[in-house]
Parts: sequence; C-alpha cells; structure tokens
Amino acid sequence: GQQVMQIPQYQHVQEGEDFTTYCNSSTTLSNIQWYKQRPGGHPVFLIQLVKSGEVKKQKRLTFQFGEAKKNSSLHITATQTTDVGTYFCAGAGGGNKLTFGTGTQLKVEL
Amino acid sequence: EAQVTQNPRYLITVTGKKLTVTCSQNMNHEYMSWYRQDPGLGLRQIYYSMNVEVTDKGDVPEGYKVSRKEKRNFPLILESPSPNQTSLYFCASSLLGTDYEQYFGPGTRLTVT
Repeated sequence: GQQVMQIPQYQHVQEGEDFTTYCNSSTTLSNIQWYKQRPGGHPVFLIQLVKSGEVKKQKRLTFQFGEAKKNSSLHITATQTTDVGTYFCAGAGGGNKLTFGTGTQLKVEL
Repeated sequence: EAQVTQNPRYLITVTGKKLTVTCSQNMNHEYMSWYRQDPGLGLRQIYYSMNVEVTDKGDVPEGYKVSRKEKRNFPLILESPSPNQTSLYFCASSLLGTDYEQYFGPGTRLTVT
C-alpha cells in the first residue's frame, strides 16, 4: 500500500533559525496536505497543494509539491516559539484513503 | 460553531470489555474517518466513510468496527479491546473526501490494561 515518509523525525532549532521537513510518497499523489499539531492538541489543516511543482506561501511558511507529485516540503523561515509542534503531510493516491506521514516534531529554543 | 466532537476524551478499560467511542460533526460533511496516533508512526487511518451506510477499511482496521447510520455520527467500536489498541484516537471529517481539508476532533486517549 501507499506509504508516506517524513524526515527528520525530530528537529531542535534556536529561535530565528530556519526549519525544513520533507515528505516522500511511495506512489504519485493527487494532492498533498499539511497539518500542524500543537503539543496536546489535534491536527489542524495548514494548506493543500494540487499542481505539479506548486509553491505556496503563508507568511514565514513555504510549501512545495514536487514535479513528480511524490514529494513535498515545508520550510519555515526564522522560527518562533509559536511554531512548536508536530508537522504532518498527508496524501491521497486518487482513492478515498488518506495516508499521513510519520510527522516531524519541531522544538524551538530561546 | 463548526466542530467535531468525540466522547469520551479519556478512557481506561480492561482487555475484552467492549467499548464505543462516539464521533459527531455539525458541518454536514460527507466524509468521516478514524485515525490512531502512536509515537513514531504518525496518524494511521483505521476506517473511513464516504456517506451514510458506506464504510471502508483504512490501513489498520483489524480489531475495530464502525457504522454510519446517520450523516453526522461515526462511532468507533472495539468489541474486544487488547493492550495493543492503547493509543490516541482521532475522528475527522471533510466536505467530500480526501481532496478537502480534514477537520479533527479533540482526540480520545484510550488505555487498555
């Protein structure tokens, strides 16, 4: 079945440093979604990418969808303590199942 | 307020004692699903439903049952819970399926002893 891997599993950064998490699927995806889960909370939708090579920005967050629609990345510029949490990608291969990545836990230190 | 609710939020039970975790959404969403979250494994889909009376297996359906008798409700049933089902469970809903934003409930922390 479809597998979605994320790296790294954990990342500690100093506030102000950049952060990137990468998502790789074993199969071509119809779209990719990104979610953020704060400690003790539930996943919250950030964005969806649909087109090959698509790039979207939300303030300090930049999301990319690979040309082959099998990988994606989330880059945060100048991290802040409010960025702490676990970031998940999620993809569907055209069916009705949604497969989440393993997540990247981000910790930001002052 | 648009939301997904789950009950109970916390549950400690014993092996073999049947339990049901309820999930309800007030957004008239067609698609609903259940996930379990375990450290290092991310979120894994247990079951999903495209509409009333339409359910299908996700990636880890063994040991679970679901039903979708009403559009707003999607209960998760563990008929004979075992310790390996100790996990954090999330219910989610979306407008029409996997191409749409998923709205998650607050989660249910289940411990099976």
